[in-house]
Amino acid sequence: GESVGLHLPTLSVQEGDNSIINCAYSNSASDYFIWYKQESGKGPQFIIDIRSNMDKRQGQRVTVLLNKTVKHLSLQIAATQPGDSAVYFCAARNSNDYKLSFGAGTTVTVRA
Amino acid sequence: NAGVTQTPKFRVLKTGQSMTLLCAQDMNHEYMYWYRQDPGMGLRLIHYSVGEGTTAKGEVPDGYNVSRLKKQNFLLGLESAAPSQTSVYFCASSYRSGKNEQFFGPGTRLTVL
Repeated sequence: GESVGLHLPTLSVQEGDNSIINCAYSNSASDYFIWYKQESGKGPQFIIDIRSNMDKRQGQRVTVLLNKTVKHLSLQIAATQPGDSAVYFCAARNSNDYKLSFGAGTTVTVRA
Repeated sequence: NAGVTQTPKFRVLKTGQSMTLLCAQDMNHEYMYWYRQDPGMGLRLIHYSVGEGTTAKGEVPDGYNVSRLKKQNFLLGLESAAPSQTSVYFCASSYRSGKNEQFFGPGTRLTVL
């Protein structure tokens, strides 16, 4: 199965700065990589996904970068806001599977 | 729309007791999932269902059973609770065509003494 892991369990960011959350994966056959956000006391919420044939995908204030050579993906959040404080999970999925394999999560704290 | 709802929100059990967690979704999603979340371990899939009347094992199915008698409901049962099942349980659902975007409920915090 897929194994995904995050590089740092915690990240502290100054409000207004850009945040970069990193994730590594082991299975080069994964077809999709997904980022979720979990606010305190709530269930995870989908942010953005990227297919393995892409290098970059942008959403609203977020960009996901995929480097298949080193099996690494990152989530960049522009102009970090207090509402971005949460735990961020990366996940992977094969196209012929229903299941997501989640990493352990990075806790992002935004300093005022 | 309420989205995905879970009952109960909190529960304390004694070792050996049984209970059922209820998940309901009003988005007409085909797929439903049960996860557990433990500190430092992310989300692990317990069981999932790709349609009414069908269920399948996930990553950590031992000690749990599930049923999906109606499309909108997915039940998770603990037959004989153990302290190792102390966790936060999340239900999720998704469209068949959008399996990357799962919609999660608010979770059930279960403590087994």
